[in-house]
Amino acid sequence: DVKVTQSSRYLVKRTGEKVFLECVQDMDHENMFWYRQDPGLGLRLIYFSYDVKMKEKGDIPEGYSVSREKKERFSLILESASTNQTSMYLCASSLMGLTYNEQFFGPGTRLTVL
Amino acid sequence: SQQGEEDPQALSIQEGENATMNCSYKTSINNLQWYRQNSGRGLVHLILIRSNEREKHSGRLRVTLDTSKKSSSLLITASRAADTASYFCATDSQGAQKLVFGQGTRLTINP
Repeated sequence: DVKVTQSSRYLVKRTGEKVFLECVQDMDHENMFWYRQDPGLGLRLIYFSYDVKMKEKGDIPEGYSVSREKKERFSLILESASTNQTSMYLCASSLMGLTYNEQFFGPGTRLTVL
Repeated sequence: SQQGEEDPQALSIQEGENATMNCSYKTSINNLQWYRQNSGRGLVHLILIRSNEREKHSGRLRVTLDTSKKSSSLLITASRAADTASYFCATDSQGAQKLVFGQGTRLTINP
């Protein structure tokens, strides 16, 4: 059974803290994604990685960075957390392909920044 | 950038009725996908329809695609309480590796 796991379901941090969100997939997928989901705004892509050490900015990369040192792991980093980064964060993975690009999602991390 | 727009934003029906959700998009696509999200959870892939297909079925799900109108619909027949969730369409308009999600339709099935 395919699986994407995220390090925490709920996380509470203070303004200015450095925050790490970890995502691991066991499907040997090349692509991994970080989204944030906010009411009324749907899912917005933060960063995308198509290979180890490769990354591409999504629609809202400001205030975030990512790391992909191993194929199965993709980390999202909030260098200095701010209250407007309070959100649901979703990680996903998919195979590299031209015509079939179903994404598999983790359960999400609900981050609150105080 | 959000390409898909779902309609309606919220839908409430009685158990056993059919539920129809619509999705419109703006640019050409290779395929369109539908996902379900239960409250507070990740998204789960439901069905994919390719641009050269007009209709696809999976169990109680029926998806149609009209590329001339740039629209798709998801029909859930004989709805159940467990179908209560948000439903999102997603297109590969920004290249094959990325998906662009709509804002979703929140479906409530009343017992």
